[in-house]
Amino acid sequence: GQNIDQPTEMTATEGAIVQINCTYQTSGFNGLFWYQQHAGEAPTFLSYNVLDGLEEKGRFSSFLSRSKGYSYLLLKELQMKDSASYLCAALDSNYQLIWGAGTKLIIKP
Amino acid sequence: GAVVSQHPSWVICKSGTSVKIECRSLDFQATTMFWYRQFPKQSLMLMATSNEGSKATYEQGVEKDKFLINHASLTLSTLTVTSAHPEDSSFYICSALHGREPYEQYFGPGTRLTVT
Repeated sequence: GQNIDQPTEMTATEGAIVQINCTYQTSGFNGLFWYQQHAGEAPTFLSYNVLDGLEEKGRFSSFLSRSKGYSYLLLKELQMKDSASYLCAALDSNYQLIWGAGTKLIIKP
Repeated sequence: GAVVSQHPSWVICKSGTSVKIECRSLDFQATTMFWYRQFPKQSLMLMATSNEGSKATYEQGVEKDKFLINHASLTLSTLTVTSAHPEDSSFYICSALHGREPYEQYFGPGTRLTVT
C-alpha cells in the first residue's frame, strides 16, 4: 500500500533550526510536496522536489532522496509564526497526492 | 499570484438539509479542481477530482450521490452535501490546478461545516 510517515509533533526554540523528516512508499513517484497549515486554515505550498538534492528557499529548505524514499524540510531562524502543522505529500504514478498526517511544530520562546 | 476562494467560510446546518460550497479560481482558469475533507488532527483526504465540463471522479468510499460536484465553468466548482448528517461535519477544502505541473495546485481557504 501507499504510505507517508512523519513525526506527529516536534518542539523547537525560537531562532533555532529544526528538521522535519518524511518517508514515503508510493506506487510510482512524481514528486514530493511540503505544505504549511495553520490551525483552522487551508494548507499553503512550501516546496516541491522531484529530483534528488536540496532546494533552498529563504529560511526553508527541502531535501529529497528518491532511492531512500526520504525527504526533509529544514526550517532555519525559527520564528513564533512558524508554529503550524507541516504536511508531507507524495505524488504517485497517477498524479494523485498521498498525504502524511502532518507534523505539529511548536515553537517556544 | 494565483488565488482560490471558497464560500461560505463556515456554515452550520441542521441534519437532513443540503449545503452548497463554492470554489472559485479568481485570477486563472482551472480545468481541474480537487475537493478534500479534513477531520481534526488528521490529514487531508481527497474526495473527488473535478474536471470542467465532465463528471467528477470520486475516490473510493466517497458517495457520489451524497457529495454532488459540479464544475460548470473554468473558474467555478461546487460541492453540495446532500441530506447532511452530524458525521459530515468537517473542514472541506478545494484546490485548483493552475497549470500543467503538479506543484501548481492552489488551495482555497476551506469551509468549516457543522451539522447539528
